[in-house]
Amino acid sequence: NAGVMQNPRHLVRRRGQEARLRCSPMKGHSHVYWYRQLPEEGLKFMVYLQKENIIDESGMPKERFSAEFPKEGPSILRIQQVVRGDSAAYFCASSQGQGNTEAFFGQGTRLTVV
Amino acid sequence: QQPVQSPQAVILREGEDAVINCSSSKALYSVHWYRQKHGEAPVFLMILLKGGEQKGHEKISASFNEKKQQSSLYLTASQLSYSGTYFCGTDPSNTGKLIFGQGTTLQVKP
Repeated sequence: NAGVMQNPRHLVRRRGQEARLRCSPMKGHSHVYWYRQLPEEGLKFMVYLQKENIIDESGMPKERFSAEFPKEGPSILRIQQVVRGDSAAYFCASSQGQGNTEAFFGQGTRLTVV
Repeated sequence: QQPVQSPQAVILREGEDAVINCSSSKALYSVHWYRQKHGEAPVFLMILLKGGEQKGHEKISASFNEKKQQSSLYLTASQLSYSGTYFCGTDPSNTGKLIFGQGTTLQVKP
């Protein structure tokens, strides 16, 4: 039973490029959450998605960031025109249901913008 | 809105006990506890639900005071493997969207 899979594990982008981060939830899980973690800091909520729907994107920056969870395939977090401040670890978590079920995290993607 | 954890850091000897607290200013549907080791993913420990239900590891215990919006994680007979940063995540909207505390760093020494 594979856990939450994220790829790539490490991503280096030059300023101005695009970053695409992928997350495949655990089997049977239809709820996906993305979090960002800056070095030596806590986890900050970004966006909550179900298949083909964005449920809550209150933590997403207004510009350059977008997320999707298509009917087929992984959830994608896309960052356009990356800047140095986007350097962070991006984690996704998945769960079977809403707040009354446990969520499991993937290994994260560590984005470095040079 | 971010829950407050205390203490910020604690150092223990193997076999000693510790309590980590999490306090929120908002009414909560659930509290979730995770442990994260440096450079790794957060690992689920326990979820405490409004109404008293708990799900999690057998060796971990925790409490949830719904009226006070507070939760405590109890680590007994600590082992070296318990070292890491502990985060509580609160869910005020029952959507699974978690607001995490700033973390409590636990170091267990031989």
